[in-house]
Amino acid sequence: EVVMTQSPATLSVSPGERATLSCRASQSISSDLAWYQQKPGQAPRLLIFGTSIRATGIPVRFSGSGSGTEFTLTISSLQSEDFALYYCQQYNNWPPYTFGQGTKLEIK
Amino acid sequence: QVQLVQSGAEVKRPGSSVKVSCKASGGTFSSFPISWVRQAPGQGLEWMGGITPLFATPKYGQKFQGRVTITADESTTTVYMELSSLRSDDTAVYYCARPARQRHINGSQISLGFDYWGQGTLVTVSS
Repeated sequence: EVVMTQSPATLSVSPGERATLSCRASQSISSDLAWYQQKPGQAPRLLIFGTSIRATGIPVRFSGSGSGTEFTLTISSLQSEDFALYYCQQYNNWPPYTFGQGTKLEIK
Repeated sequence: QVQLVQSGAEVKRPGSSVKVSCKASGGTFSSFPISWVRQAPGQGLEWMGGITPLFATPKYGQKFQGRVTITADESTTTVYMELSSLRSDDTAVYYCARPARQRHINGSQISLGFDYWGQGTLVTVSS
């Protein structure tokens, strides 16, 4: 099973600033990585798949990069609605699909 | 537009079973896999298993093997997840999820991310 590790657990950033979230896989997953945003009481929302491809309707301020075992989600200029939980997920080595433990993005 | 609508909240006793439904509308039902993902209170996301209705052969996470059964009814475009021998640590919100894109490898359908999610079903296991 591929273990996904996200860092940091909590990230404090001011609105308008850039946020960088990291995700590491325990073995190479090529570019088979997705990112999700989740707000309290809601289902996750797909942001990025294929490491860097934005899902339908996702603003351009969200971008993803990386390959192999190291991946990054960048939010270029934080809006108030971006403060939420973020999860990465691999789909290269399946079953099972595995998720990271999440990064909480909070207002500084 | 694909929509996934799940059945309502359940309260179950330890040792019993629960069956949660996920009705799909819009899009193509049979050829896309639907997965079940759960989230315990204050915890992360955990994939349990999934099924592509057309092929009717489910895949399960090893952690849940032997305790979970996922089935699909093409006549009602509904996927079911049954979890048996419930324990208190099975208390969680259970989601069904479906991709907009998939990859076909060796007869399997890989979900390239989960674009569509049900609203979640809270299952509480308590004596």
